[in-house]
Order: sequence, then structure tokens, then C-alpha cells
Amino acid sequence: DAGVIQSPRHEVTEMGQEVTLRCKPISGHNSLFWYRQTMMRGLELLIYFNNNVPIDDSGMPEDRFSAKMPNASFSTLKIQPSEPRDSAVYFCASSPGGDVGYEQYFGPGTRLTVT
Amino acid sequence: KNQVEQSPQSLIILEGKNCTLQCNYTVSPFSNLRWYKQDTGRGPVSLTIMTFSENTKSNGRYTATLDADTKQSSLHITASQLSDSASYICVVTLVYNAGNMLTFGGGTRLMVKP
Repeated sequence: DAGVIQSPRHEVTEMGQEVTLRCKPISGHNSLFWYRQTMMRGLELLIYFNNNVPIDDSGMPEDRFSAKMPNASFSTLKIQPSEPRDSAVYFCASSPGGDVGYEQYFGPGTRLTVT
Repeated sequence: KNQVEQSPQSLIILEGKNCTLQCNYTVSPFSNLRWYKQDTGRGPVSLTIMTFSENTKSNGRYTATLDADTKQSSLHITASQLSDSASYICVVTLVYNAGNMLTFGGGTRLMVKP
């Protein structure tokens, strides 16, 4: 199994631009999670999906952030417009269970730098 | 105030030595507590998961303990290796009416020197 796949691995963009991060979960997993990690705030859960349906988006910082999961094998996290404070590492994780309490498998992350 | 506190924030030990990382939590009730290892530039990898009724769980040289009375967990690393250099994150799954919620510790950064 290839594990959770994220792309791109690194993204550098200018303030105001739209950024789209992509994630392919492990085949057969029915839950998908998006996290953000910074030195100051550590790891934060942004949103998670179960069977492609958003269950809890309370961690999404503001309306500039949106996430979709059009099918069981693909999800996107979009930031529009991006700001320097969005600079962080964004992780996607998937789980065979139905909520946050189950074992999660993380992807390698996307390092986003907004200048 | 973060409801999951880890200590120390950073630690340097010599290869071959043992060490213990601490995680104190105030969230309650919880369904499980997890320890993750995160190598630099990579995603976290699960080391152990313990339910509230478990006291200890081992994974090779890693042993996690849980004291639900004092709300403390520890991760003990035996005979450390250079590859143990990483950040270690404690995560508590909080149970509430609408479902479960994760609460993350700030992590301990461990460096193992030869």
C-alpha cells in the first residue's frame, strides 16, 4: 500500500493567491482528516470527512479555507485568498474507522509558504 | 490553556540511554490516549493507543503507561537509538455528546546523540 499521498510536497505562493492542496487516502479507509501544524500552535485538526461527508469543520480557521471530498479516493483543501499567516505544514490523514477516535495514518504533508 | 501538557519540551540524551516523556491531561472523559512519533519533515506515525482502562502498552522499545486517576501518561524509550530523534506527540480523544474530539499536546522534541 502506498499510504496516504499528498501533493504538492512544497508550495510557495504570494499573498492573495489561491492554493489547493490534494490528498489521496489509503484505499478502503472511510475517514479523512486535514490538519495544520505550526511551531506556535502545534498540530490542529481542521476538518474531517466520513464516507465523503464533512462531519466536523469547527477547526477551519475562517471562510478563506474550504475542503471537499468528491469521492472516496480524493480530497482537496483550498485557501483563497492565501495570507502569510497560513504558512504551515498541512497534513492529510485517513482512517478505517468512523470518527477521530480510530487509528489514523498520516501523509507526508505539504509545506506551504505564503510570502 | 492547552488541556494536554507535555514535558519536557525538548530533551537531549546519549545513544543507548533510556528516557521518559510525560503527558498530563485534564480532559475528561476520554476514550483513548495515543502517542505519535514524528520524524523531521514527515507525518506523525502512531506508536501506541491505550483506552482509559489500559495501564500499559508496548511497541518494541517504546512503552506507554497510563494512570487515569492522576491523568498522566508516560512514554518510556529503552536503549535509545539515533533514529529515535524525533518529536513525540501525545493525543487524547475526548468523549462528548456530539462525538469525539482530539486534543493535542505540544510535543517533546528528542535528540539522541552518539
